[in-house]
Amino acid sequence: DTAVSQTPKYLVTQMGNDKSIKCEQNLGHDTMYWYKQDSKKFLKIMFSYNNKELIINETVPNRFSPKSPDKAHLNLHINSLELGDSAVYFCASSQDRAYEQYFGPGTRLTVT
Amino acid sequence: AQKVTQAQTEISVVEKEDVTLDCVYETRDTTYYLFWYKQPPSGELVFLIRRNSFDEQNEISGRYSWNFQKSTSSFNFTITASQVVDSAVYFCALSEGYAGNMLTFGGGTRLMVKP
Repeated sequence: DTAVSQTPKYLVTQMGNDKSIKCEQNLGHDTMYWYKQDSKKFLKIMFSYNNKELIINETVPNRFSPKSPDKAHLNLHINSLELGDSAVYFCASSQDRAYEQYFGPGTRLTVT
Repeated sequence: AQKVTQAQTEISVVEKEDVTLDCVYETRDTTYYLFWYKQPPSGELVFLIRRNSFDEQNEISGRYSWNFQKSTSSFNFTITASQVVDSAVYFCALSEGYAGNMLTFGGGTRLMVKP
């Protein structure tokens, strides 16, 4: 069984569009995250979220917003896509803040 | 603010050689956690190890070993008798106790193991 899954795996879209990436974890974890990996492989945290608290990396544009329908899901919604949003986006989850994070397979977003 | 530095951007070795990947971190917190992740060419991020700031014991897992030294703020990773399958990008990461466990990653070290 896949622990952390993301859909879609690839997403190609045009500038100005709005898109969402879905993430689901079946590990029973309380906390979920979104990371962005750029073309140089640099990984940056975007959000940390559990059912009580959302922590946003201050460098993330407000065009990006996480949406959590329940504890097992944390979707990433992006408005008005820009060329610079092209990257691989990883979802992750952890049992608690002291524990390791398990990552989804990533979603490669290409904005044309 | 927390920071992780992996000074080696690329390392190339021949199979069966030992290789050490360096990681230096900065934090003002007394409680923090250190991690290593592997990203093979297929792209997924694979968890390797977690260490908390109160546990300086070195760890060995098969061909992998980790050396955590608070005095030098380093958490180095050694692969013994490297294999071609070890070829990947390796990331060191840090999370601070108060920061919602958001990981700060180093820039990664690309390891190429040649047969």
